[in-house]
Amino acid sequence: EDQVTQSPEALRLQEGESSSLNCSYTVSGLRGLFWYRQDPGKGPEFLFTLYSAGEEKEKERLKATLTKKESFLHITAPKPEDSATYLCAVRGETSGSRLTFGEGTQLTVNP
Amino acid sequence: DTGVSQDPRHKITKRGQNVTFRCDPISEHNRLYWYRQTLGQGPEFLTYFQNEAQLEKSRLLSDRFSAERPKGSFSTLEIQRTEQGDSAMYLCASSSGGAGAFFGQGTRLTVV
Repeated sequence: EDQVTQSPEALRLQEGESSSLNCSYTVSGLRGLFWYRQDPGKGPEFLFTLYSAGEEKEKERLKATLTKKESFLHITAPKPEDSATYLCAVRGETSGSRLTFGEGTQLTVNP
Repeated sequence: DTGVSQDPRHKITKRGQNVTFRCDPISEHNRLYWYRQTLGQGPEFLTYFQNEAQLEKSRLLSDRFSAERPKGSFSTLEIQRTEQGDSAMYLCASSSGGAGAFFGQGTRLTVV
């Protein structure tokens, strides 16, 4: 069974203070690792897909990286509008098309 | 707006009543998913359609839940004889092949 663990559960940063969120996963044959951003009361917003160890993707102040056991979401010089819950999900060879999500990291960026 | 559309956004129902939610996926996407999310948790997979065929169902999907996707376009999720434990956000997502899925804004169900 695929498993995803995200840490920390919550993170408070000052504006401009860079940091990283962690996503550890266990999956039989990774077919994709996905990062989403979710604002309160809304559906998850797709950010990145990573498929193989060593792969990196960037979007504005966000950069996602992948190893064989974990993924990091690096946030450089965050702004208050980056405050949200960040969700990580995996799809494995034995899980069909379903995504298995972690519980998310709630990020708060103070001005 | 060509994103995933869900209706209604909010639903309050009495225990024991039936409810139905609708999802309109991104038009060129052949895959459609339903997930359920409770407060502080990540979304949990319920079911998956490829075109009109329902190919996967989670064991979370009890006999009271049924989903359809007639003609491979919009989808409906029905919950019969609702229980308080059914209160959650119901999320629909669509994708093209194995690419990242795009989610709608969800339907928040409250069972009183």
